[in-house]
Amino acid sequence: GAGVSQSPSNKVTEKGKDVELRCDPISGHTALYWYRQSLGQGLEFLIYFQGNSAPDKSGLPSDRFSAERTGGSVSTLTIQRTQQEDSAVYLCASSRGPNNEQFFGPGTRLTVL
Amino acid sequence: QKEVEQNSGPLSVPEGAIASLNCTYSDRVSQSFFWYRQYSGKSPELIMSIYSNGDKEDGRFTAQLNKASQYVSLLIRDSQPSDSATYLCAVNRGYSTLTFGKGTMLLVSP
Repeated sequence: GAGVSQSPSNKVTEKGKDVELRCDPISGHTALYWYRQSLGQGLEFLIYFQGNSAPDKSGLPSDRFSAERTGGSVSTLTIQRTQQEDSAVYLCASSRGPNNEQFFGPGTRLTVL
Repeated sequence: QKEVEQNSGPLSVPEGAIASLNCTYSDRVSQSFFWYRQYSGKSPELIMSIYSNGDKEDGRFTAQLNKASQYVSLLIRDSQPSDSATYLCAVNRGYSTLTFGKGTMLLVSP
């Protein structure tokens, strides 16, 4: 079946603008994760959704970052008042449930000028 | 101590050789372990998962787990130039999210 999809694939924005990144998980996967990967750095966990439970937001770096997941499927990661240090690849992953294998989407490359 | 440690490499091996990639982790309660391959400019691709001590084989790949030593490794037999990539070790500490190492770059020369 179809894998995890993300849009847009690339986003260039000006400092101070808001951006929205979208993730569509694999059908039937109840768990959805957001990570980011900065140039030359490892993957950094941002937020985790499992079913209808409250999300685990422990990885969000500041209150400028937020995410929602509608209807247990599509998720949107919003970054308000973007800063240059927000430039990174934002990766979404999904899994059948907690502690299962995670499958990644192609990512969104965000560049903040 | 970092939670998940990997040698950054690059690890250079000739085509046809065995590549051995290693990973150590600090949290003894870690429950599941994964190896991802990441080509430059691409997202991570899951290649192996292992949950219990011992070896797990899948084609040319073998994952090895030793929970007592907090050590997990990935062996790639008959390495091919197409195996050249960064290999990421990931550990699930039972909280559902994965903690990743920074990856080991593997270079397989023809």
